[in-house]
Amino acid sequence: QQQVKQSPQSLIVQKGGISIINCAYENTAFDYFPWYQQFPGKGPALLIAIRPDVSEKKEGRFTISFNKSAKQFSLHIMDSQPGDSATYFCAASMGTGGYNKLIFGAGTRLAVHP
Amino acid sequence: ETGVTQSPTHLIKTRGQQVTLRCSSQSGHNTVSWYQQALGQGPQFIFQYYREEENGRGNFPPRFSGLQFPNYSSELNVNALELDDSALYLCASSPPGRPGAYEQYFGPGTRLTVT
Repeated sequence: QQQVKQSPQSLIVQKGGISIINCAYENTAFDYFPWYQQFPGKGPALLIAIRPDVSEKKEGRFTISFNKSAKQFSLHIMDSQPGDSATYFCAASMGTGGYNKLIFGAGTRLAVHP
Repeated sequence: ETGVTQSPTHLIKTRGQQVTLRCSSQSGHNTVSWYQQALGQGPQFIFQYYREEENGRGNFPPRFSGLQFPNYSSELNVNALELDDSALYLCASSPPGRPGAYEQYFGPGTRLTVT
C-alpha cells in the first residue's frame, strides 16, 4: 500500500513532442504528489507538485493531471526539448505521524531526440 | 539563497568501516530528511530530523543514525558498512510550516562506494 508504481521505465520522444509519464498509488492517505527531475550525477530537483483536491496543475511546459478516483497521476511535458532528457520520478507523501516521507516511483528515463 | 549542500561528493570505504556524511540545509529550512538511492532506483527514505530530533524513520537498520544541529545542518552516520550500502546518499531540506513542510529540496548527494 506504500508503493508508487511508475511507467514507462524509459521513453523516447522527438523534439517538440509531448512526453507523458504515469504513476499509480494505492494508499488514499497520500495527500501530496510531487514530480522530480534528476540529471546524471545530480540530486533530484522538484519540478511541480499537486494535491488531491486539484485535477490539474500547469507550470510552463509541465502539467500534472490527477485522477483521484483512479488513484493515478501523470506528468505531461509539452514541446519536449533535448535539455529535458533526464530521469523523472513521481512521488507521494502524507502528513501523518508528525513527519513527511516521500515514497518514490522507480523512475522514467526520458530521451528527447533532436 | 543558498541551496542544500552536501559533503563529501564522493567517498570510498571498506566493508566494516564507519562513515559520516554531512548536509547543510537551505537557508530558512528547519527539517532535514535523508534518502538512499541505489543505482537505477528511486530514493528510499532513511529518516527525518526536526528540532534536532529524529521524528520519522524508514526501513533501515539502527547502524544508520543521524544528528541535526541547532543551525539545522545534519549528519548521517553509517556503522559496520556493507557492500549493499554503496549508493548515492541524498539530503533534503524542507521549509517550516504547512504546506511548505511537504516540499523537499534535495542536495547533490554523496556517492558512497563500499569495497
